[in-house]
Amino acid sequence: KAGVTQTPRYLIKTRGQQVTLSCSPISGHRSVSWYQQTPGQGLQFLFEYFSETQRNKGNFPGRFSGRQFSNSRSEMNVSTLELGDSALYLCASSLGGLKNTEAFFGQGTRLTVV
Amino acid sequence: AQSVAQPEDQVNVAEGNPLTVKCTYSVSGNPYLFWYVQYPNRGLQFLLKYITGDNLVKGSYGFEAEFNKSQTSFHLKKPSALVSDSALYFCAVRDIRAGGTSYGKLTFGQGTILTVHP
Repeated sequence: KAGVTQTPRYLIKTRGQQVTLSCSPISGHRSVSWYQQTPGQGLQFLFEYFSETQRNKGNFPGRFSGRQFSNSRSEMNVSTLELGDSALYLCASSLGGLKNTEAFFGQGTRLTVV
Repeated sequence: AQSVAQPEDQVNVAEGNPLTVKCTYSVSGNPYLFWYVQYPNRGLQFLLKYITGDNLVKGSYGFEAEFNKSQTSFHLKKPSALVSDSALYFCAVRDIRAGGTSYGKLTFGQGTILTVHP
């Protein structure tokens, strides 16, 4: 059974640009969550999608957005990149119920903003 | 609001000795608790979870964790550490009474670097 796949693995962007990251969840999983990991702030929740609807959102500015497609694949977009957006972005998939089981993470996309 | 504390930034143990990585949590309702491990430049790998039932849960790679409701703790343990266990460990919680606001959201501790010396 294939795991969670994130593309690309590495990305270098310039300040002011925008970026789109992709996540393919485990087959059968309908929930996709996104997290930002930085040395200073640790792991912070960005948002969660289930059946193409955003169900939950963390405390990030509107520059961070996402969407989910009918096949459960998800993308997140960051517009007007800032140096502070440099981070490892992790995607996690799960079955999606409130009392569901654990989330499974992809290997992440390392974004560097220069 | 839910929160997780991992009071030790680093834990050092000798190979073959038992290890403990500490975690305490705070939730308004009942917690679902998880431990994850992260190797350099990799994502998080699931180790184990506590949902309900026995307070001692067993997980992958010989790890186990003990849930203590009165102390709001969920410490990760292993009877005999291996050098290959050296990694960054995260404790996480989901408050299942938070209703829709907790969907998909895990709250993580800051992580503990475990180093196992040969």
